[in-house]
Amino acid sequence: ETGVTQTPRHLVMGMTNKKSLKCEQHLGHNAMYWYKQSAKKPLELMFVYNFKEQTENNSVPSRFSPECPNSSHLFLHLHTLQPEDSALYLCASSQAGTGGHEQYFGPGTRLTVT
Amino acid sequence: DQQVKQNSPSLSVQEGRISILNCDYTNSMFDYFLWYKKYPAEGPTFLISISSIKDKNEDGRFTVFLNKSAKHLSLHIVPSQPGDSAVYFCAASAPGAGANSKLTFGKGITLSVRP
Repeated sequence: ETGVTQTPRHLVMGMTNKKSLKCEQHLGHNAMYWYKQSAKKPLELMFVYNFKEQTENNSVPSRFSPECPNSSHLFLHLHTLQPEDSALYLCASSQAGTGGHEQYFGPGTRLTVT
Repeated sequence: DQQVKQNSPSLSVQEGRISILNCDYTNSMFDYFLWYKKYPAEGPTFLISISSIKDKNEDGRFTVFLNKSAKHLSLHIVPSQPGDSAVYFCAASAPGAGANSKLTFGKGITLSVRP
């Protein structure tokens, strides 16, 4: 595998379910990000991890819980979601601290909350 | 309040012609700008970037122009090809965002290149 991978690619869940999204980067980067993309809206930054430490939580509701066990893996744990949480969830990585700003994205997980 | 604006939701051009995609920003602290391209069912792919110390950056068929006084940047694609049909996102970052590159994105513009 190369680049940034995300699983599952599609997920349908009820409001009472608990599920997790997984992201893995194979680029040797040290920063990872979760974004939400809703229809007709810009990408919204949710969480930032730098060297496994969470450095940003962009006022995300607690029903979204991130986990970063190491620099290569990032999870987003979901519980008691609302229908308005249906969106494309994108993971990205970058090499922080070297002045580079480019982030590399995975293909996303299309989440539908019923 | 949107700090990065892509006011035109779509653009259609003929193959071989120039595509010009525009982006405006309001935060004068932004000092680095990026363009991403996104195909359906894929994540955004980094395309080209420009630092605020420059006013132009070119990479093959892609050129980004930055006008700091107008807080405006544009992406030129010439010649346009059908494979360029995608959604293009403009993004910006500011210094002091910590060790991470915190990007602010526009809504995107859908480019269609007609054969």
